[in-house]
Amino acid sequence: GAVVSQHPSRVICKSGTSVKIECRSLDFQATTMFWYRQFPKKSLMLMATSNEGSKATYEQGVEKDKFLINHASLTLSTLTVTSAHPEDSSFYICSARDIGREGNEQFFGPGTRLTVL
Amino acid sequence: KQEVTQIPAALSVPEGENLVLNCSFTDSAIYNLQWFRQDPGKGLTSLLLIQSSQREQTSGRLNASLDKSSGRSTLYIAASQPGDSATYLCENRGSTLGRLYFGRGTQLTVWP
Repeated sequence: GAVVSQHPSRVICKSGTSVKIECRSLDFQATTMFWYRQFPKKSLMLMATSNEGSKATYEQGVEKDKFLINHASLTLSTLTVTSAHPEDSSFYICSARDIGREGNEQFFGPGTRLTVL
Repeated sequence: KQEVTQIPAALSVPEGENLVLNCSFTDSAIYNLQWFRQDPGKGLTSLLLIQSSQREQTSGRLNASLDKSSGRSTLYIAASQPGDSATYLCENRGSTLGRLYFGRGTQLTVWP
């Protein structure tokens, strides 16, 4: 149980285009999902907290208009990288908390590799 | 398949103590290892990142070591404070694009 999927697993796009990444909790419901970003050889960085039915909470330094987050249901959150540029190339990872479980454990998706040409 | 184990699962200590949190993993072919802190209801905050070629990293009162041959990492917290109370997770991956493997965490409580 507690499986989180991400789609796509890998995407290559041209500069200036927008890319949408989906994060789904497959066998549980999640009112809260988290989006992280990781650069090569760098630590995992929390970008934002996605809350079902409300606006996402962004970490300091993360552009809200650049990284649009929508958490429309208890099993799906999407991250849209708008007008992507090469510096947005990174590994994006989501995680979700199971509302049916006690504690704070998060379950992580496999990640999405974004390459902007 | 990589398995990551953290011991102890929970730890409650008085303020001022020096602490050691343990993380063990079954596959020594790791790309890097990270230690995170998680506060209730919050996302993870990265504390220390150790590349596979490194033996340890230090940040303030925190020191993390890595021994790939024995499949172990330790997080050392010096002079613990109540503000250190949180869940501490260790994570590794097999390659730069590899899946992340997390331990279940150590829940730390530091009381005044």
